[in-house]
Amino acid sequence: GIQVEQSPPDLILQEGANSTLRCNFSDSVNNLQWFHQNPWGQLINLFYIPSGTKQNGRLSATTVATERYSLLYISSSQTTDSGVYFCAVDGYGGSQGNLIFGKGTKLSVKP
Amino acid sequence: DAGVIQSPRHEVTEMGQEVTLRCKPISGHNSLFWYRQTMMRGLELLIYFNNNVPIDDSGMPEDRFSAKMPNASFSTLKIQPSEPRDSAVYFCASSFFPGELFFGEGSRLTVL
Repeated sequence: GIQVEQSPPDLILQEGANSTLRCNFSDSVNNLQWFHQNPWGQLINLFYIPSGTKQNGRLSATTVATERYSLLYISSSQTTDSGVYFCAVDGYGGSQGNLIFGKGTKLSVKP
Repeated sequence: DAGVIQSPRHEVTEMGQEVTLRCKPISGHNSLFWYRQTMMRGLELLIYFNNNVPIDDSGMPEDRFSAKMPNASFSTLKIQPSEPRDSAVYFCASSFFPGELFFGEGSRLTVL
């Protein structure tokens, strides 16, 4: 099945810094989403982005489907950005509903 | 609009007992997913339904687990009998497939 790798696994930032999180996947995808799991365990959908670029406030994401990667940019980070960021993909082949999650990037933003 | 609603939020039970987790998806969504999250295995898809029909249950750990979706607004995940290794957070999620996936707040299960 499709493999999803996220990097870095852990990231510590000072408030106000920028960061880039990466998601690599091993096969063509028709569905790629980024999620944030906050310290209370809630999973929030950030972007549905199988290709192209989207922006939402201080967050933006880019997926280059032909090169099989996606990037999540966080600018001017705040302590509320802390948590785990997951990338999830759903390949073209096989069961298209099976959204495969990466292991996540754990982000800690220090005041 | 109400999000995905799960109950109970927390469940503590003893080994061998039956556990039933419940989920109400977002109105209008046609797909419903049950995930399990543990430290060791991360987020795993257990089963998903499309238009109330189970499409892929290959992630269900074993026969002790079963899931139903009797109508578009309700689903259950049942574990019988429960075991300590079933302790995890169980998430329900829904989408208008293949669009954005929205998660409930999860049900934290502890089996003693």
